Amino acid sequence: SSELTQDPAVSVALGQTVRITCQGDSLRTFYASWYQQKPGQAPLLVMYGKNTRPSGIPDRFSGSFSGNTVTLTITGAQAEDEADYYCNSRDSSAEYYVFGTGTKVTVL
Amino acid sequence: QVHLVQSGAEVKKPGSSVKVSCKASGGTLNSYTISWMRQSPGQGLEWLGTIIPVSGSTNYAQKFQGRVSITADEFTSTAYMELSRLRSDDTAVYYCGKEERVTFHDYLQIESWGQGTLVTVAS
Repeated sequence: SSELTQDPAVSVALGQTVRITCQGDSLRTFYASWYQQKPGQAPLLVMYGKNTRPSGIPDRFSGSFSGNTVTLTITGAQAEDEADYYCNSRDSSAEYYVFGTGTKVTVL
Repeated sequence: QVHLVQSGAEVKKPGSSVKVSCKASGGTLNSYTISWMRQSPGQGLEWLGTIIPVSGSTNYAQKFQGRVSITADEFTSTAYMELSRLRSDDTAVYYCGKEERVTFHDYLQIESWGQGTLVTVAS
């Protein structure tokens, strides 16, 4: 079982803001990354570290962290943002990487 | 631009092994860290392990230790993931991914992924 917990599903109206959270004790010590995955495709890195977007990722994606929680925020969600999102960081032993449980984002 | 190209789909019997390859097309592995992940049908992402080819350092998920081996051949710019003692619940799409750094870090920063390899374990 994953040590990084995410809400299974969230929905957002087109053009509104959605926040996707990832919780875990290890996040008090380690930064995280975020991946977007659409059906039938490999994941895509959308955020990493303190709040860094890879080249080509729209600036409506932003990241933040507080305590044991990291958050990926999509401000002004678009239809193409509908996907599964996974966080990634270290587990509580700090020895191994782990992915979060995943959140399915639906854009209404 | 270095792209990762994985080997084709495999069908294996329970108890056997599978070896999936991941070739860096257009470059070498020297400047990268390679990780392997999998995704069972309808499930989330699962990390199996990571190798830093230039040093040979590896880190395997505790769940797979003793069953997974990740290697890299710098001459052919190809990384490999071998999983042994296969079970039906190992049926999944297996992905390789590269990070543009040669260290382990807080998180995986995989900006380039292979296309995925479906491994089916069935009797």
